[in-house]
Amino acid sequence: NAGVMQNPRHLVRRRGQEARLRCSPMKGHSHVYWYRQLPEEGLKFMVYLQKENIIDESGMPKERFSAEFPKEGPSILRIQQVVRGDSAAYFCASSPPGGSSSYNEQFFGPGTRLTVL
Amino acid sequence: GESVGLHLPTLSVQEGDNSIINCAYSNSASDYFIWYKQESGKGPQFIIDIRSNMDKRQGQRVTVLLNKTVKHLSLQIAATQPGDSAVYFCAENSDDSWGKFQFGAGTQVVVTP
Repeated sequence: NAGVMQNPRHLVRRRGQEARLRCSPMKGHSHVYWYRQLPEEGLKFMVYLQKENIIDESGMPKERFSAEFPKEGPSILRIQQVVRGDSAAYFCASSPPGGSSSYNEQFFGPGTRLTVL
Repeated sequence: GESVGLHLPTLSVQEGDNSIINCAYSNSASDYFIWYKQESGKGPQFIIDIRSNMDKRQGQRVTVLLNKTVKHLSLQIAATQPGDSAVYFCAENSDDSWGKFQFGAGTQVVVTP
C-alpha cells in the first residue's frame, strides 16, 4: 500500500508565477489535509478537504491560495502570484473516513519544498 | 489563542540513555494527541498517539504520558539510538476542530555516541 504521494518534491518559481502542488492520498483515504512548514517551525494547518468539498479552510490565506480535491485525481494546492514569503515546505496528509471522531491518525507525505526567487 | 508548545528546543542524549520530550498544550478541549518524528527533508512520521481517556500508552521503545490536569504531554524514548535523531512534534486535536491538528514548535533530539 503506497503512502501519501506528493509532487513535485521541489519546486522553484519566480515572483508572480503560479505554483501547483499535488497530493495523492493513501489508498482508501478520503480526507486530505494541507500544512505549511517554515524553516525550524512546526506545521501550520491550512485546509481540510474531502472529495469535492472543502471542510475547513480556516488556515488558508485569504488571497492567492486555493485548494481542491476533485472526484477523480489528486488534491491540488494552488498558489497564484507567488511571493518570497510563500517559500516553505508544504505537506499533505490523509486519513481514512472516520465520521466525526477526532481519533483519526493523519499520514503525511514527503512534502513539496517551494522556493520563490 | 489556544496553542501547543514545547519546553526544550534541543535535547542532546547519549546513545543508550532514555530521552524525555515534553509538550504543553492550552486547549482544554483537546482530546487526541499524536507524537510525530521528522527527519531532515522528510515528512512527519507517526510515532504514537493517545486519547484523552488514557494517561499512558506504550509502543515499541516509546511511551507517551498525558497529564490532563496540567495539560502536559511527554514522549519517552528508551535506549535512544542514533536513528532517533530527528525533530519531534506533538500535535493535538479536538472534536470541535476535527481534522485540524495543531502542532508544537518541535524539539530537536541529537543522539551522541
